[in-house]
Amino acid sequence: QSVLTQPPSVSGAPGQRVTISCTGSSSNIGAGYDVHWYQQLPGGAPKLLVYVDNNRPSGVPDRFSASRSGASASLAITGLQSEDEADYYCQSFDNSLKSYVFGPGTRVTVL
Amino acid sequence: QVQLQESGPGLAKPSETLSLTCTVSGGSVTRESDYWSWIRQPPGKGLEWIGYIYYSGATHYNPSLRGRVTISVDTSKNQFSLKLTSVSAADTAVYYCARQVATSSQANYYLDQWGQGTLVTVSS
Repeated sequence: QSVLTQPPSVSGAPGQRVTISCTGSSSNIGAGYDVHWYQQLPGGAPKLLVYVDNNRPSGVPDRFSASRSGASASLAITGLQSEDEADYYCQSFDNSLKSYVFGPGTRVTVL
Repeated sequence: QVQLQESGPGLAKPSETLSLTCTVSGGSVTRESDYWSWIRQPPGKGLEWIGYIYYSGATHYNPSLRGRVTISVDTSKNQFSLKLTSVSAADTAVYYCARQVATSSQANYYLDQWGQGTLVTVSS
């Protein structure tokens, strides 16, 4: 069981905006540790999507943005496209576990 | 752009040792800002960070696996390796190697380049 919680799935129509939450605690996100987000397309390896809260690597469209508040973080996808269908994982550090931790992942479906 | 490629047996027997190697190309494992990590993903499940190594040999392991995991680095070959002992069916997973980038604080490192992953099945 992960110390970070994400909804199992979210869905939206093309062009819509969806958000994925990542809820932690005072030993991880709430402690101020950075949150990073990864996208895993079907059958592929994870790919860094957003790092250090809201920075995008080169090539990642600005339709993807992230934010945080307290012990939670969220990833927003605006202008949803069919190629955004994937699993999305948040990641942070937990100072109780002394380990980097991932959320369980959220499957995004484009209707 | 740095590329990573996992290699090793796709099958391990219960109670034996799983061994994988990651070959880094397009960059050096000795770059000071980089740590070299292993992550795994059981079929149909989420990601689990296993540990990382720095080119100096310094390591940090997931405490849930401590005692069974060893990560080593060979700077002459630009490779790093994973050994997981006493494996069971629960260790069946796709194993990824990745570059973990150092930031202002060790706790904030992130994984910016990943290999394609290799499936290791633990079965007799």
